[in-house]
Amino acid sequence: AQSVTQLDSHVSVSEGTPVLLRCNYSSSYSPSLFWYVQHPNKGLQLLLKYTSAATLVKGINGFEAEFKKSETSFHLTKPSAHMSDAAEYFCVVSDENGGFKTIFGAGTRLFVKA
Amino acid sequence: DTGVSQNPRHKITKRGQNVTFRCDPISEHNRLYWYRQTLGQGPEFLTYFQNEAQLEKSRLLSDRFSAERPKGSFSTLEIQRTEQGDSAMYLCASSSGLAVQETQYFGPGTRLLVL
Repeated sequence: AQSVTQLDSHVSVSEGTPVLLRCNYSSSYSPSLFWYVQHPNKGLQLLLKYTSAATLVKGINGFEAEFKKSETSFHLTKPSAHMSDAAEYFCVVSDENGGFKTIFGAGTRLFVKA
Repeated sequence: DTGVSQNPRHKITKRGQNVTFRCDPISEHNRLYWYRQTLGQGPEFLTYFQNEAQLEKSRLLSDRFSAERPKGSFSTLEIQRTEQGDSAMYLCASSSGLAVQETQYFGPGTRLLVL
């Protein structure tokens, strides 16, 4: 069965330092993986997605994620945090094996300190 | 604005009342999805349409919930006999194409409070 685990409910970094948001997934098929960001009182916005092409995926605002099948991970990184990155981040797995499913992780709240 | 729109943005109702939400997807997007998000949690998939056909329904979608997309354009989600546990943000998304890897574009959501 599909599942998504975001390993940290909260992450706090200082502005200008690297960001790492961790995500592990479980899927019995070849999944598509996504990271979405949700700013307060705003809709979910796609950061990046993996769809079985390059394992290192670059997204918007300097974020990137690496698909590691052997580790069933899809961690999100950014070299240098900006205050505007403070938001809720969701890791998402989607596939159609046995019926369409899109599973969101519980989310990681990113705090950025000045 | 060519994004996904949802109406109303907020709804307060009393337990036992019926409510209906509307979602207008991005023009010509053939897939439309409904999710529910409670405080501190990620969105949970409820159902999706491909054109006017409802192809998948989550076990979360009890008999009190019904969704329609009559002409393959806008969609409505109705909750009958609302319960306090129905209080949540209801999100709509749309995508183009037929593949599961297509990006879903989300609307701002309808926040429901059941008193």
